[in-house]
Amino acid sequence: DAKTTQPPSMDCAEGRAANLPCNHSTISGNEYVYWYRQIHSQGPQYIIHGLKNNETNEMASLIITEDRKSSTLILPHATLRDTAVYYCIVRVNQGSGNTGKLIFGQGTTLQVKP
Amino acid sequence: DSGVTQTPKHLITATGQRVTLRCSPRSGDLSVYWYQQSLDQGLQFLIHYYNGEERAKGNILERFSAQQFPDLHSELNLSSLELGDSALYFCASSVDPTGATQYFGPGTRLTVL
Repeated sequence: DAKTTQPPSMDCAEGRAANLPCNHSTISGNEYVYWYRQIHSQGPQYIIHGLKNNETNEMASLIITEDRKSSTLILPHATLRDTAVYYCIVRVNQGSGNTGKLIFGQGTTLQVKP
Repeated sequence: DSGVTQTPKHLITATGQRVTLRCSPRSGDLSVYWYQQSLDQGLQFLIHYYNGEERAKGNILERFSAQQFPDLHSELNLSSLELGDSALYFCASSVDPTGATQYFGPGTRLTVL
C-alpha cells in the first residue's frame, strides 16, 4: 500500500469549511484513497473513499487530483463535533495485493474552534 | 453506533495473566479485524478473519491468539500479559474479505498493572 503524508495538525473555525490535505505520490492505478476519523479514543469511523473521481456523501467531499498524487477531504461546515484525528489511507481493494487490513499513519489532528 | 459491539469496555489485570476480548460484528458482516492502539505505536493491525478462517496476520505477538466462531463473533486472547500490552483494542467488521469499508467497535481498554 502506498505511503501517505498528512500535516500533523490543523485548526478550523466552527461553521467554516475544513480542508484536509493528503499526499500519496506513489499511489498505484488500482489503489483507492480512504478517509477515516477517530474522535477521542472512540473507534475509527469511515468517512469516504474514491479512486479517480471526486466523491461526495452526507459527511464530506473527497477531491482527488488528476494525477492522483494528492487528495483533499472537505468538511463543508465544520462543527465542534468534527474535532478528531483524520487518517488518509491508500490501499488496494481487490486481488493479491489486498490483505483486508487498514494501515493507519499518524493522521491530522483537526481542532475546530468556536 | 457502528453496529459492532465489544466487551468488556474496560479491563484491568495483572502481569502474567490471561484475558479474552469479545467482538460481535455487524449483522451480515463476515469479516472481523482486530487492531491495537497504544500511545507509542498508534493503530496497528493484528489479525483478520473471514467466515471463520484466518485471512491475514499483522504484527501479532505469539502470546496473542484469536478465533472466529460459527456465529461470526470473534475473541482475542491475550496471555502472559506484560505492561506494554496496555492499550485500546478495536474490533472492526466488513461484509467482504477485502475490507473495503470497515466499521469499528467502541474498543476495549486494557490496563495491565
